Amino acid sequence: SYVLTQPPSVSVAPGETARMSCGGNNIASKDVHWYQQRPGQAPVLVVFADSDRPSGIPERFSGSNSGNTATLTISRVEAGDEADYYCHVWDNSGAHQVFGGGTKLTVL
Amino acid sequence: EVQLVEFGGGLAQTGRSLRLSCAASGVIFDNYAMHWVRQAPGKGLEWVSGIYWDSRTMGYADSVKGRFTISRDNRKQTLYLQMNSLRHEDTALYYCAKGRRADGAGGFDSWGQGTLVTVSS
Repeated sequence: SYVLTQPPSVSVAPGETARMSCGGNNIASKDVHWYQQRPGQAPVLVVFADSDRPSGIPERFSGSNSGNTATLTISRVEAGDEADYYCHVWDNSGAHQVFGGGTKLTVL
Repeated sequence: EVQLVEFGGGLAQTGRSLRLSCAASGVIFDNYAMHWVRQAPGKGLEWVSGIYWDSRTMGYADSVKGRFTISRDNRKQTLYLQMNSLRHEDTALYYCAKGRRADGAGGFDSWGQGTLVTVSS
């Protein structure tokens, strides 16, 4: 089955740029979605189809996907961005969905 | 505004069964695929099962295949998960999630608050 690999943690100072990776075999051939999950809350979709943003998500959130790595980028990081972030793809062989293990973003 | 509300969680003994429900409102339910995603305490998200808009395609994680059954009633706007032969490792918060599309593509754009399932001997 398809595997997505995320670094366990990323730390960044307020106002800086956070980049979180999601690795998978030829992931560029798939649409990648990203979720933010704050402690005690349900996940929220922040980027879908590699780089599109749902309504209400700030432009500071962006995504890219190339080769074997997809990336979620958060510009001008704020304290409220501190959360766990998960990448997700549809593995359409067998109608499966796959999540990465998640990255904890810490705002210093 | 889409609302998803899960019901049916609780304490179950190993080997027993539970049935989860997810009631949807504020959405044309039969236009979208629906999914169950779980999160064990202190762990990450794990997709459990999904069903396309017309119930003709279902998918299951290997960890639950043969034990769990997903279904939906579009007239009642309700998603179900029948969980049989429960194991300790099924202990988790179970989220209902709405797909952005009728099939498995597009990501999940609405989530419920989850219902907790605890499996104990």
